[in-house]
Amino acid sequence: GAVVSQHPSRVICKSGTSVKIECRSLDFQATTMFWYRQFPKQSLMLMATSNEGSKATYEQGVEKDKFLINHASLTLSTLTVTSAHPEDSSFYICSAATRTDLNEKLFFGSGTQLSVL
Amino acid sequence: GEDVEQSLFLSVREGDSSVINCTYTDSSSTYLYWYKQEPGAGLQLLTYIFSNMDMKQDQRLTVLLNKKDKHLSLRIADTQTGDSAIYFCAESYNTDKLIFGTGTRLQVFP
Repeated sequence: GAVVSQHPSRVICKSGTSVKIECRSLDFQATTMFWYRQFPKQSLMLMATSNEGSKATYEQGVEKDKFLINHASLTLSTLTVTSAHPEDSSFYICSAATRTDLNEKLFFGSGTQLSVL
Repeated sequence: GEDVEQSLFLSVREGDSSVINCTYTDSSSTYLYWYKQEPGAGLQLLTYIFSNMDMKQDQRLTVLLNKKDKHLSLRIADTQTGDSAIYFCAESYNTDKLIFGTGTRLQVFP
């Protein structure tokens, strides 16, 4: 089946630095990628939807200048957490959408655990 | 707005059946999904159901949908310790944008 690679799986950074998370679709072209955030013991929250070659669409309450999303190609989307603070510590998951049958419609990365000190 | 709710925790004995419940508010939902999340990992799609279906069975998994009550359930037959994880239901309306439930932590004990 289709595979989505997310990197890094875990990152620890100092407050004030920026962190980039990559999401790659390895064997298919993903016209749309999604970025989710998960707080401990809570559900996944959609942060933004990114389409290749266009600006990302952010969900209400998500700061677009804080969470920069770039979808430069059909196989790569990046999320950059700028000037990270401890409250940005969370589990971030990307997903990539194909246009084949529904059963293989959406594939998720393995997630990135971000810890901001 | 859209809201999807689940009970937080379920504990079952190995070999028994597990039933995880989910309620949603958006009556225009077209697809409903069940995902499994193991510790520190991403999400794995387990199964899905179209909103015009009442039931779907896939090996040990049975999904029941009561559209009138906006209630979705996932039954896992012969639950094993490897089934211990967090299970999320999710809904969507003709898009890839998913609205997730709060997640149910399933604990299977011997």
